[in-house]
Amino acid sequence: SQELEQSPQSLIVQEGKNLTINCTSSKTLYGLYWYKQKYGEGLIFLMMLQKGGEEKSHEKITAKLDEKKQQSSLHITASQPSHAGIYLCGATLIQGAQKLVFGQGTRLTINP
Amino acid sequence: GAVVSQHPSWVICKSGTSVKIECRSLDFQATTMFWYRQFPKQSLMLMATSNEGSKATYEQGVEKDKFLINHASLTLSTLTVTSAHPEDSSFYICSARIRTTSSYNEQFFGPGTRLTVL
Repeated sequence: SQELEQSPQSLIVQEGKNLTINCTSSKTLYGLYWYKQKYGEGLIFLMMLQKGGEEKSHEKITAKLDEKKQQSSLHITASQPSHAGIYLCGATLIQGAQKLVFGQGTRLTINP
Repeated sequence: GAVVSQHPSWVICKSGTSVKIECRSLDFQATTMFWYRQFPKQSLMLMATSNEGSKATYEQGVEKDKFLINHASLTLSTLTVTSAHPEDSSFYICSARIRTTSSYNEQFFGPGTRLTVL
């Protein structure tokens, strides 16, 4: 079973609509990282969260880490075609560790 | 921002041959580099952690004699797939962690190398 569960696995939304992707763990998330990947390419770093309750925003993307540090959400407002891609959450599950564990990814499609 | 390059971006080889993939941090020193593989429509699976000047740490189930990792400098790590077979065909991605005293574990990823073994 996955140590990080992402939901949904795929998402199709109309351009302009809002959407949310979730990343959940049964273990404490000591560091939570959101990345975006286009098929066959590397990962683009989006945001990093460390503290319970933390929220960060960049342009139309907002990421939150819950107080218990076991769930994170990525919210996109007024989606655009450029937001299409695969979103991956990665996390450090052991305090001080360097190793990242990844969720299975969420494939986002934006329909014009 | 921090840039990580990989070379080659894609490679096709015959079964039984060895393939070397390079991962370079272009504008920063990386104390640690990581090698991942990704199968189609699946997530990244960590293969090994590579520290400059020391032996790589392999994840469970990853054959260290098959996937040779050399981290010769603070800006270069190489992954050699020895005696490649079709089941080794995959997308290999490296990442590099900036040399820092911070507790942040931010990793910067290369663009990936697609290996196809015939």
